[in-house]
Amino acid sequence: DTAVSQTPKYLVTQMGNDKSIKCEQNLGHDTMYWYKQDSKKFLKIMFSYNNKELIINETVPNRFSPKSPDKAHLNLHINSLELGDSAVYFCASSQVPTGYYNSPLHFGNGTRLTVT
Amino acid sequence: QKEVEQNSGPLSVPEGAIASLNCTYSDRGSQSFFWYRQYSGKSPELIMSIYSNGDKEDGRFTAQLNKASQYVSLLIRDSQPSDSATYLCAVNVFYGGSQGNLIFGKGTKLSVKP
Repeated sequence: DTAVSQTPKYLVTQMGNDKSIKCEQNLGHDTMYWYKQDSKKFLKIMFSYNNKELIINETVPNRFSPKSPDKAHLNLHINSLELGDSAVYFCASSQVPTGYYNSPLHFGNGTRLTVT
Repeated sequence: QKEVEQNSGPLSVPEGAIASLNCTYSDRGSQSFFWYRQYSGKSPELIMSIYSNGDKEDGRFTAQLNKASQYVSLLIRDSQPSDSATYLCAVNVFYGGSQGNLIFGKGTKLSVKP
């Protein structure tokens, strides 16, 4: 009965490759996110989708492309991977967008991406 | 640029003591404040939320909010070694329409010594 699940848990790949991370939530939430946590543990938002519509697109290289086929799923595709992309990527969901009152995030378990 | 500031620590307290974690934020319009706990190698886990000035208690945890000073804190009473983790403060920022964000501080690493 996992609430927010993402796969894979670990991803080791070489520079220049293309990879995808999948995320699914069964909480019935309207909004999903991708966050990146760097080696210093700083959590930074990358994208947010509300009911399949992109509402937040932070300054992220266009090698990163999110896709939300429905409001329970949000995938992240990364082209031409670079060393600096190594980080932990968290998927998260919230009932409504987090800018609103009383809308905490629920995180998936994370995907540790290592680019060699 | 909206910001959330936390002392990165590490904060070291003996078992049984009170751990006090602090956070300041820059956006006066923020209305929702959250504390997340993150164990090493794990995902952030929501432990407290607070929306109005004053104190909110939940078990050994007390969140305190002072909107005038733009300050939110988390007190952990009777600290246990299992409380050793990084604590992330998160604050909502609303831009209008459906635009908004939860801004995280860089976290305070807490170590509780037996």
